[in-house]
Parts: sequence; structure tokens; C-alpha cells
Amino acid sequence: DGGITQSPKYLFRKEGQNVTLSCEQNLNHDAMYWYRQDPGQGLRLIYYSQIVNDFQKGDIAEGYSVSREKKESFPLTVTSAQKNPTAFYLCASSSGDRGYTFGSGTRLTVV
Amino acid sequence: AQSVSQHNHHVILSEAASLELGCNYSYGGTVNLFWYVQYPGQHLQLLLKYFSGDPLVKGIKGFEAEFIKSKFSFNLRKPSVQWSDTAEYFCAVNTGFQKLVFGTGTRLLVSP
Repeated sequence: DGGITQSPKYLFRKEGQNVTLSCEQNLNHDAMYWYRQDPGQGLRLIYYSQIVNDFQKGDIAEGYSVSREKKESFPLTVTSAQKNPTAFYLCASSSGDRGYTFGSGTRLTVV
Repeated sequence: AQSVSQHNHHVILSEAASLELGCNYSYGGTVNLFWYVQYPGQHLQLLLKYFSGDPLVKGIKGFEAEFIKSKFSFNLRKPSVQWSDTAEYFCAVNTGFQKLVFGTGTRLLVSP
């Protein structure tokens, strides 16, 4: 079945560490996105990529970085510059007007 | 910048009650509108979407939504909710290249 795979499901980070969240899709979608979900704030766009080797900042890109070296993959790095990284992170992809397909998410906790 | 408002943050209903969740957006141009649902522990799923044509859109599981352009609204409705409808519901708007802007979500609890 086609879909989006996010890993790991749960991730714990120590203060000052960088961590990378994986997102892989086999839907042949051109566009991929990273959202952050916090209680009461909905989903906020971190970064998005329309094609390989190109990506754009979303509304809350500070403290995050991404790469898009392959169409299938769009990893997100949460850097030590992100002041409040504890959240639920959702990856999505889309093609044309078919709407988004979402992954199952990664819950990141700073310990 | 466009924004989406969902005024009901928490809604509690008994089974068989009717549901209406409000969604308003701020953008004067052409929009595509979506409702997504997130059941406990599950992925976000598309409930329904509006691109053009009939402003009354029917989605999965008996949900429907009506696009009222003059009111910048896209309210979600269901005539009779079930316990299994307990979930968080997100309204979203697309005004540019596939980039969705989400509302803050509404948590629905349906008591049996």
C-alpha cells in the first residue's frame, strides 16, 4: 500500500542535541510538508518542498532544517536552536489537487 | 496572510444529537476548503473537500459541509453523531500551491 512512513514514533532529546525525524513516501508525490501540532494550536507549517532539491520556510521554521535530496524523502532536523521542541510532528505529501496524505507522526519530547 | 478560525474548541454531544462545527477563513480570492479528522491515535484523514461547483459537499461517514462564500465559512455538519465520531476535527484552506493553512481544531466528545 502506498503511504507515508514517519520514524521513529517516539523520540526523546536531551537539551542541546540535534535530532532528525524521518519521513518517506512511496506515493510519487512531488510536494512534501512538515507540520508541528500543539494542543489548542492546530497544525503549523514548518517547511515544505515542491520539488527535489528545493524547499521553502513555513510559518515557524526557526530552529528547524530540512533537505530534499530524493523525491521520496524529506527529513526534518530539530536543532538546539529550537527553544520549545516538545511537540507532535506530522509529515505530509500531496500531488495536484488530491489533498494531503499524512504520516502517523513523531512525538518528540525534550528530557 | 490567510487564516482559519474554528470557534468551537471543545464540543460535547450525546449520541444521536446533531453536529455543526464552525469554520471561517480570511482570504478574498479563490479557495479550496477541507475538513480533516484525527481519531485518537490515528492519522489525519480527509473527511471532505470543496474546490468548486455545488457548495454543499458530502464526505465520508455521513458528514457534509456547506461553503458560503459571502460569509467566508465552511461549516461541518452531521445530522446524528455516533460515539465513534469522537475525534479532533480540523478545517483547512488552500490558497496557493497546495499549501494548507489549518485551524486550531475542535475536539468532539460524543457520549454514549
